[in-house]
Amino acid sequence: NAGVTQTPKFRILKIGQSMTLQCTQDMNHNYMYWYRQDPGMGLKLIYYSVGAGITDKGEVPNGYNVSRSTTEDFPLRLELAAPSQTSVYFCASTPRATKVGTDTQYFGPGTRLTVL
Amino acid sequence: QQQVKQSPQSLIVQKGGISIINCAYENTAFDYFPWYQQFPGKGPALLIAIRPDVSEKKEGRFTISFNKSAKQFSLHIMDSQPGDSATYFCAASQSYGGSQGNLIFGKGTKLSVKP
Repeated sequence: NAGVTQTPKFRILKIGQSMTLQCTQDMNHNYMYWYRQDPGMGLKLIYYSVGAGITDKGEVPNGYNVSRSTTEDFPLRLELAAPSQTSVYFCASTPRATKVGTDTQYFGPGTRLTVL
Repeated sequence: QQQVKQSPQSLIVQKGGISIINCAYENTAFDYFPWYQQFPGKGPALLIAIRPDVSEKKEGRFTISFNKSAKQFSLHIMDSQPGDSATYFCAASQSYGGSQGNLIFGKGTKLSVKP
Protein backbone atom coordinates (compact mmCIF):
# COMPACT_ATOMS: atom_id res chain seq x y z
CA ASN A 1 0.00 0.00 0.00
CA ALA A 2 1.22 3.49 -0.84
CA GLY A 3 -0.98 4.88 1.97
CA VAL A 4 -1.92 8.53 1.54
CA THR A 5 -0.27 10.32 -1.36
CA GLN A 6 -0.34 14.04 -2.11
CA THR A 7 0.64 16.05 -5.15
CA PRO A 8 2.34 18.38 -5.72
CA LYS A 9 4.99 18.49 -2.99
CA PHE A 10 5.69 22.20 -3.51
CA ARG A 11 3.91 24.98 -5.34
CA ILE A 12 4.24 28.72 -5.68
CA LEU A 13 1.11 30.62 -6.68
CA LYS A 14 0.50 34.24 -7.51
CA ILE A 15 -2.28 36.11 -5.74
CA GLY A 16 -5.59 35.39 -7.42
CA GLN A 17 -4.53 32.16 -9.09
CA SER A 18 -6.35 28.88 -8.50
CA MET A 19 -5.11 25.37 -7.98
CA THR A 20 -6.13 21.91 -6.85
CA LEU A 21 -4.19 19.92 -4.28
CA GLN A 22 -4.56 16.23 -4.95
CA CYS A 23 -4.96 13.54 -2.28
CA THR A 24 -5.36 9.80 -2.85
CA GLN A 25 -5.49 6.90 -0.41
CA ASP A 26 -5.41 3.21 -1.25
CA MET A 27 -6.53 1.84 2.14
CA ASN A 28 -10.26 1.98 1.39
CA HIS A 29 -10.77 4.40 4.26
CA ASN A 30 -14.15 6.07 4.60
CA TYR A 31 -13.03 9.25 6.32
CA MET A 32 -10.68 11.78 4.77
CA TYR A 33 -9.46 15.15 6.00
CA TRP A 34 -7.64 18.25 4.88
CA TYR A 35 -5.55 20.20 7.38
CA ARG A 36 -3.32 23.22 7.15
CA GLN A 37 -0.27 23.59 9.35
CA ASP A 38 1.18 26.98 10.14
CA PRO A 39 4.32 27.47 12.30
CA GLY A 40 3.50 27.26 16.00
CA MET A 41 -0.21 26.81 15.33
CA GLY A 42 -0.70 23.06 15.13
CA LEU A 43 -3.03 21.53 12.57
CA LYS A 44 -6.30 23.17 11.67
CA LEU A 45 -9.07 21.19 9.98
CA ILE A 46 -10.22 22.71 6.69
CA TYR A 47 -12.72 20.16 5.36
CA TYR A 48 -13.51 16.53 5.93
CA SER A 49 -15.49 13.76 4.26
CA VAL A 50 -17.17 10.72 5.80
CA GLY A 51 -17.60 8.97 2.49
CA ALA A 52 -18.01 9.45 -1.25
CA GLY A 53 -20.38 12.30 -1.97
CA ILE A 54 -20.38 13.64 1.61
CA THR A 55 -18.24 16.56 2.73
CA ASP A 56 -18.41 19.06 5.56
CA LYS A 57 -16.61 22.15 6.79
CA GLY A 58 -13.96 22.08 9.46
CA GLU A 59 -12.56 24.93 11.53
CA VAL A 60 -11.04 27.03 8.71
CA PRO A 61 -12.95 26.40 5.42
CA ASN A 62 -13.00 29.91 3.95
CA GLY A 63 -11.25 30.15 0.59
CA TYR A 64 -11.30 26.42 -0.04
CA ASN A 65 -13.58 23.86 -1.65
CA VAL A 66 -13.59 20.08 -1.75
CA SER A 67 -15.30 17.23 -3.52
CA ARG A 68 -15.37 13.48 -2.92
CA SER A 69 -16.56 11.57 -5.96
CA THR A 70 -14.71 8.34 -5.08
CA THR A 71 -13.55 6.65 -1.87
CA GLU A 72 -9.90 7.08 -2.92
CA ASP A 73 -9.69 10.75 -3.89
CA PHE A 74 -10.29 13.95 -1.94
CA PRO A 75 -9.02 17.01 -3.83
CA LEU A 76 -8.79 20.44 -2.21
CA ARG A 77 -9.47 23.44 -4.44
CA LEU A 78 -8.11 26.92 -3.77
CA GLU A 79 -9.91 29.69 -5.62
CA LEU A 80 -8.40 33.18 -5.77
CA ALA A 81 -5.28 32.36 -3.77
CA ALA A 82 -4.29 34.84 -1.05
CA PRO A 83 -1.04 35.24 0.94
CA SER A 84 -2.93 34.03 4.04
CA GLN A 85 -3.19 30.63 2.36
CA THR A 86 0.58 30.18 2.44
CA SER A 87 0.91 27.03 4.52
CA VAL A 88 1.68 23.33 4.52
CA TYR A 89 -1.36 21.26 3.65
CA PHE A 90 -1.85 17.73 4.88
CA CYS A 91 -4.37 15.17 3.78
CA ALA A 92 -5.28 12.32 6.14
CA SER A 93 -7.59 9.33 6.21
CA THR A 94 -9.02 6.92 8.76
CA PRO A 95 -11.24 3.84 8.56
CA ARG A 96 -13.88 4.80 11.19
CA ALA A 97 -16.20 2.12 9.90
CA THR A 98 -18.23 2.34 13.09
CA LYS A 99 -18.79 4.94 15.77
CA VAL A 100 -16.40 3.11 18.07
CA GLY A 101 -13.88 2.20 15.44
CA THR A 102 -10.26 2.89 14.71
CA ASP A 103 -9.43 6.54 15.18
CA THR A 104 -5.85 6.57 13.91
CA GLN A 105 -5.43 9.14 11.17
CA TYR A 106 -2.88 8.36 8.48
CA PHE A 107 -1.28 11.45 7.03
CA GLY A 108 0.19 12.15 3.64
CA PRO A 109 3.60 13.83 3.20
CA GLY A 110 2.14 17.29 2.71
CA THR A 111 2.10 20.04 0.09
CA ARG A 112 4.03 23.23 0.81
CA LEU A 113 2.20 26.14 -0.80
CA THR A 114 3.47 29.69 -1.08
CA VAL A 115 1.24 32.50 -2.35
CA LEU A 116 3.09 35.61 -3.49
CA GLN B 1 -14.30 24.44 24.96
CA GLN B 2 -12.87 22.81 21.87
CA GLN B 3 -9.29 23.84 22.57
CA VAL B 4 -6.41 21.60 23.53
CA LYS B 5 -3.61 23.55 25.21
CA GLN B 6 -0.11 22.14 24.89
CA SER B 7 3.10 23.07 26.69
CA PRO B 8 5.95 23.73 26.43
CA GLN B 9 6.32 25.13 22.93
CA SER B 10 9.88 23.82 22.75
CA LEU B 11 11.98 21.49 24.86
CA ILE B 12 15.67 20.66 24.96
CA VAL B 13 16.71 17.47 26.73
CA GLN B 14 20.02 15.70 27.11
CA LYS B 15 20.41 12.21 25.72
CA GLY B 16 19.18 9.70 28.27
CA GLY B 17 16.95 12.22 30.02
CA ILE B 18 13.17 12.28 30.38
CA SER B 19 11.08 14.46 28.08
CA ILE B 20 7.68 15.56 29.39
CA ILE B 21 5.02 17.33 27.33
CA ASN B 22 1.72 18.38 28.83
CA CYS B 23 -1.75 18.97 27.42
CA ALA B 24 -4.99 20.22 28.92
CA TYR B 25 -8.53 20.17 27.56
CA GLU B 26 -11.92 21.59 28.49
CA ASN B 27 -14.47 19.41 26.73
CA THR B 28 -15.41 16.55 29.07
CA ALA B 29 -16.98 14.69 26.13
CA PHE B 30 -13.55 14.01 24.64
CA ASP B 31 -12.87 10.27 24.81
CA TYR B 32 -9.78 9.68 22.70
CA PHE B 33 -6.37 11.27 23.29
CA PRO B 34 -3.60 10.53 20.79
CA TRP B 35 -0.09 11.85 20.45
CA TYR B 36 1.36 12.38 17.00
CA GLN B 37 5.04 12.64 16.11
CA GLN B 38 6.23 14.68 13.15
CA PHE B 39 9.70 14.75 11.65
CA PRO B 40 10.77 17.69 9.46
CA GLY B 41 9.32 17.47 5.96
CA LYS B 42 7.01 14.60 6.87
CA GLY B 43 3.38 14.20 7.83
CA PRO B 44 2.43 13.49 11.45
CA ALA B 45 2.24 9.84 12.50
CA LEU B 46 0.43 8.31 15.45
CA LEU B 47 2.81 7.59 18.32
CA ILE B 48 0.55 6.43 21.13
CA ALA B 49 -3.04 6.99 22.22
CA ILE B 50 -5.19 6.54 25.31
CA ARG B 51 -8.87 6.39 26.20
CA PRO B 52 -10.12 7.78 29.53
CA ASP B 53 -10.90 4.40 31.07
CA VAL B 54 -7.21 3.99 32.01
CA SER B 55 -4.82 6.39 33.73
CA GLU B 56 -1.64 5.30 32.00
CA LYS B 57 -0.51 3.59 28.83
CA LYS B 58 3.03 2.57 28.06
CA GLU B 59 4.58 1.55 24.76
CA GLY B 60 8.31 1.05 24.95
CA ARG B 61 9.93 4.31 26.07
CA PHE B 62 6.73 6.30 25.54
CA THR B 63 4.09 6.67 28.24
CA ILE B 64 0.84 8.63 28.35
CA SER B 65 -0.37 9.69 31.78
CA PHE B 66 -4.03 10.69 31.94
CA ASN B 67 -5.74 12.64 34.74
CA LYS B 68 -9.47 12.75 34.05
CA SER B 69 -10.41 14.93 37.01
CA ALA B 70 -7.80 17.55 36.09
CA LYS B 71 -8.58 17.22 32.38
CA GLN B 72 -4.90 16.83 31.63
CA PHE B 73 -2.72 14.29 29.88
CA SER B 74 0.98 14.12 29.28
CA LEU B 75 3.58 12.31 27.20
CA HIS B 76 6.72 11.03 28.88
CA ILE B 77 9.67 9.90 26.80
CA MET B 78 12.11 7.90 28.88
CA ASP B 79 15.80 7.59 27.98
CA SER B 80 15.36 10.25 25.28
CA GLN B 81 17.47 9.74 22.16
CA PRO B 82 18.59 12.14 19.41
CA GLY B 83 16.31 10.19 17.04
CA ASP B 84 13.36 11.35 19.15
CA SER B 85 14.01 14.94 18.03
CA ALA B 86 10.75 15.91 16.34
CA THR B 87 7.60 17.95 16.86
CA TYR B 88 4.96 16.31 19.05
CA PHE B 89 1.27 17.10 18.90
CA CYS B 90 -1.35 16.09 21.41
CA ALA B 91 -4.92 15.82 20.22
CA ALA B 92 -8.40 14.96 21.46
CA SER B 93 -11.64 13.85 19.90
CA GLN B 94 -15.17 12.89 20.76
CA SER B 95 -16.31 9.60 19.25
CA TYR B 96 -20.01 10.39 19.47
CA GLY B 97 -21.96 13.45 18.50
CA GLY B 98 -21.85 15.91 15.66
CA SER B 99 -18.08 16.34 15.57
CA GLN B 100 -17.71 13.01 13.70
CA GLY B 101 -14.66 12.17 15.80
CA ASN B 102 -12.62 15.02 14.35
CA LEU B 103 -9.32 15.56 16.10
CA ILE B 104 -8.55 18.85 17.86
CA PHE B 105 -4.78 19.34 17.90
CA GLY B 106 -2.55 21.19 20.32
CA LYS B 107 -0.06 23.68 18.88
CA GLY B 108 2.86 21.29 19.11
CA THR B 109 6.12 20.93 21.03
CA LYS B 110 9.45 20.92 19.26
CA LEU B 111 11.73 18.47 21.08
CA SER B 112 15.49 18.53 20.63
CA VAL B 113 17.54 15.79 22.24
CA LYS B 114 21.21 16.74 22.57
CA PRO B 115 23.87 14.02 22.29
